Order: sequence, then C-alpha cells, then structure tokens
Amino acid sequence: GQSLEQPSEVTAVEGAIVQINCTYQTSGFYGLSWYQQHDGGAPTFLSYNGLDGLEETGRFSSFLSRSDSYGYLLLQELQMKDSASYFCAVPSGNTPLVFGKGTRLSVIA
Amino acid sequence: DGGITQSPKYLFRKEGQNVTLSCEQNLNHDAMYWYRQDPGQGLRLIYYSQIVNDFQKGDIAEGYSVSREKKESFPLTVTSAQKNPTAFYLCASKSLAQAYEQYFGPGTRLTVT
Repeated sequence: GQSLEQPSEVTAVEGAIVQINCTYQTSGFYGLSWYQQHDGGAPTFLSYNGLDGLEETGRFSSFLSRSDSYGYLLLQELQMKDSASYFCAVPSGNTPLVFGKGTRLSVIA
Repeated sequence: DGGITQSPKYLFRKEGQNVTLSCEQNLNHDAMYWYRQDPGQGLRLIYYSQIVNDFQKGDIAEGYSVSREKKESFPLTVTSAQKNPTAFYLCASKSLAQAYEQYFGPGTRLTVT
C-alpha cells in the first residue's frame, strides 16, 4: 500500500516563507507531486519531483529526498491568495495518484 | 480550450434517489478518475478507467457505479445504496505518458437530504 503524511494545518504571515512537509511510504516510487486547492475549487498541479533535489517554479519550490522518503513544498513571499490546501501525491505508474490528506495553509496579515 | 467539465456545479437530491454526475474531457486523455472529498478527508478514489469499456474500483466504490462508453466521458452514478452521499465530487484525467499530473474538473457538490 501507499500512505502519505503531511501536517493538517499551517499558519504563516504574509511575506514570510513556509515549508509544508510530506513523508511517504510506497511500494514502488516514481516521484512526488504537489497540488493546490482553494476552497470550493479544483486541485491544480504545482510541481513534480522525479529526482532528488530542489525544483523551483517562481515563488514555489519543491524538494525530494528518496533516501529519507521525504519531500516538502516551500512557498516564499507569501501572499494572501496562497491561502489554500496543499496536497502531496504519489504517482504509481499507470495507476491513480495517491493523495495525502492535505495541509490547510492560512496566510495572515 | 482543452479541459474537463463537470455538471452541474451544485446538485440537490432526496434520499433514496439515484443521481448521475457528468464528466467530460477534451484533452484526449486515456485515464479518467472520480474522487470524493469530505472536509478533512483529502481525496478518496471512487472509480477509475484507463481505457474505454473498462474501469476499476477505487478505495470507496460501494454505492457508486460508472461507465466508460466513450474516451471523453466518464459519468458517475451515486446510487441509493451509498449511505452518506453528500460530498464534493471531483473528476480528473491524465495522460498515461505523464503519470504525475492529473487535471481536475471544477467539481460537483452533491447534497442529499
């Protein structure tokens, strides 16, 4: 089976940096994806790490360490619009993504 | 524009009635999925299909049924056997060549009273 653990809630101040961690246990590993979901909306793809290391996309970065079965999403220069739920997910070949339960990020002024 | 459409956005039904949720995609994706989302529960997989006329049960398939008669369409029926059908339902698709990125529709919020 596959399971992913991430914190349920995180609060951070506008303009700050926040890190959302994800640890996983999988039988067969292809990489780690991250999705963002605003309240009432659909999840949207943010990033994917197929290899160890840091991937940067604007204010968002994602990191993967296969040896530690661990990854994180880093959000810099936080904005109010970044308040959303963030999900880590594990693709497993051609089978569906398995999602973590999500981390609700609240950005406060 | 390519994408996934779900209709309706909001749906209200009486207990004991079957209801079908629509999902259509024009992304030419082979694989399609249905997820259910409840507060604090994340996304739970109901059914998925990787090819026309074939589909597999996900983690919470009881009380649901699907069909995949066309590549573009993957409707979900919530039957009266589903004990707690009120939820947010999300349809998704992906290219099997790019397994890490799923595209989601806007969702249907079903309320059963």
